[in-house]
Amino acid sequence: GESVGLHLPTLSVQEGDNSIINCAYSNSASDYFIWYKQESGKGPQFIIDIRSNMDKRQGQRVTVLLNKTVKHLSLQIAATQPGDSAVYFCAEDNSGGSNYKLTFGKGTLLTVNP
Amino acid sequence: ETGVTQTPRHLVMGMTNKKSLKCEQHLGHNAMYWYKQSAKKPLELMFVYNFKEQTENNSVPSRFSPECPNSSHLFLHLHTLQPEDSALYLCASSQDTNPRVDTQYFGPGTRLTVL
Repeated sequence: GESVGLHLPTLSVQEGDNSIINCAYSNSASDYFIWYKQESGKGPQFIIDIRSNMDKRQGQRVTVLLNKTVKHLSLQIAATQPGDSAVYFCAEDNSGGSNYKLTFGKGTLLTVNP
Repeated sequence: ETGVTQTPRHLVMGMTNKKSLKCEQHLGHNAMYWYKQSAKKPLELMFVYNFKEQTENNSVPSRFSPECPNSSHLFLHLHTLQPEDSALYLCASSQDTNPRVDTQYFGPGTRLTVL
């Protein structure tokens, strides 16, 4: 079937540590992925995206890794800060961009301890 | 702020009530969306409007009725809802409906409770 899921529903880290949030997808036709951050009381916010022709993409303090062999996506946050505390979820697009249809994962709650 | 506002932020309604959710975007975008976010479930797309025309209805029950009078405003009219409809309803907008081209900007959502 087509599904996007997360391995860990919650993740607690110490401030300054690196965080890794994982996402598994089952549709091998998916060729575009997005990570979102949702803080309490707010809507989701785009963090970073990656196309299937890439294995890695870096942003500011964030890196997304894509392993198409095992259909796995991860978001790495370097030097995690209290402001990074939020729910993070991934989304996949297997429409080829022709017909908007993102499938979203459930989310992982990241808690950063001072 | 993302430039997308939603009102009300919280709404409690009975199953026989009629209410409306409002979304307004100040970004000059052409596309607007309604999403449903339930506890412990992934974000679900409900409707897509592009240039005021509905381009996607994701098998949403007719008790949810969207309205898009112009590219800046989007409404979700609610009628005869069920308790399982309680959720966070999110509005979003983007310049283009292709997520690979344009990022969607989300509003803060309306927390709906159906009694």
